[in-house]
Amino acid sequence: ETGVTQTPRHLVMGMTNKKSLKCEQHLGHNAMYWYKQSAKKPLELMFVYNFKEQTENNSVPSRFSPECPNSSHLFLHLHTLQPEDSALYLCASSQDLLKFRGAEAFFGQGTRLTVV
Amino acid sequence: ILNVEQSPQSLHVQEGDSTNFTCSFPSSNFYALHWYRWETAKSPEALFVMTLNGDEKKKGRISATLNTKEGYSYLYIKGSQPEDSATYLCAFGGGADGLTFGKGTHLIIQP
Repeated sequence: ETGVTQTPRHLVMGMTNKKSLKCEQHLGHNAMYWYKQSAKKPLELMFVYNFKEQTENNSVPSRFSPECPNSSHLFLHLHTLQPEDSALYLCASSQDLLKFRGAEAFFGQGTRLTVV
Repeated sequence: ILNVEQSPQSLHVQEGDSTNFTCSFPSSNFYALHWYRWETAKSPEALFVMTLNGDEKKKGRISATLNTKEGYSYLYIKGSQPEDSATYLCAFGGGADGLTFGKGTHLIIQP
């Protein structure tokens, strides 16, 4: 069992659909992150949560809406996406925020999203 | 915008050979430099987190060095094995809550 679990692993959605990505961590970590990887681009930070509070929104369009009900769960709600939003969405967690020396990120396997 | 560059983008290495690749990052406002290994269909997995100039870390046949003053880190793999085939990511921690990643070096070990 991996420490960080993401569901679903694959998702195809239409531009008018609403869907949600789920991330769950079993590591007792306090910080959780959403990253996006588009083709031929590096991992891009989207959102950061620490103790359920959002601490960073990296200029992400409002069609992506994160939710962190508790320190173990993180959601990414998707609505009216565009084809260019097709990408791999990775969730990660860390004991403390990654800006603190020594903290390391634990990643899920990602959700491969295709917007049609 | 922070710039984290990795080179080369991809690398083919014969089994048994040693190899190394580079990560360059901003030399100001340094907090940490991370290396992750990302195998196909798996999660990225932390190899090293380095925080001090001159740090050298080792895990089995893999080692890394850090120069924060000039803004670069090297990852070395000694005696490459097929299971070393993966994408190696470096990530810069500059005080923001998250990390800034490079595009990675895609390593293929040929038997």
